Amino acid sequence: NAGVTQTPKFRVLKTGQSMTLLCAQDMNHEYMYWYRQDPGMGLRLIHYSVGEGTTAKGEVPDGYNVSRLKKQNFLLGLESAAPSQTSVYFCASRRTTNEQFFGPGTRLTVL
Amino acid sequence: GQQVMQIPQYQHVQEGEDFTTYCNSSTTLSNIQWYKQRPGGHPVFLIQLVKSGEVKKQKRLTFQFGEAKKNSSLHITATQTTDVGTYFCAAYNTDKLIFGTGTRLQVFP
Repeated sequence: NAGVTQTPKFRVLKTGQSMTLLCAQDMNHEYMYWYRQDPGMGLRLIHYSVGEGTTAKGEVPDGYNVSRLKKQNFLLGLESAAPSQTSVYFCASRRTTNEQFFGPGTRLTVL
Repeated sequence: GQQVMQIPQYQHVQEGEDFTTYCNSSTTLSNIQWYKQRPGGHPVFLIQLVKSGEVKKQKRLTFQFGEAKKNSSLHITATQTTDVGTYFCAAYNTDKLIFGTGTRLQVFP
């Protein structure tokens, strides 16, 4: 079992560029989550999904879109990147007993 | 919305000393979870507490859930350098997991 994987690991964008972050899990979990982590801010929920074909907004959804076309994948998109979106992005999937399993993260820098 | 406050923000201890981090909420929580994040790593689930007044132990780590289910604590006895990292509490608000700001623990040998 690979658990939760994220691609890419690192990325540098220019302001206004777009990109998609991919999260994949092989544990057959229904729920998946996207977080961002900034220094001193803890983890903040961007969007989440309670099952294939569903998505919902978290605490800080503006500037991001998500899609969950397949149960094992959860994509996070930035349509027009801004420097304020420089962060470390973590994906997680949730077990039925509520604990979340996190991927290794994507470090994104927007210049 | 639901907020979970965590103190202290930082803690530096000598190896062998004890460490405690506290988590507080203004609202009653259905349950509370604790995660550990090593420097440069990702959060790793430690434990979930559900019952009022619950106490759970994992080797040198002791987790408590307050009687009113509004606060929680994590206590580490006799810290080791392997305990270095940031400890987060987190609580669900329906399906959203809301994290505390974390306590960064540094252990000096």
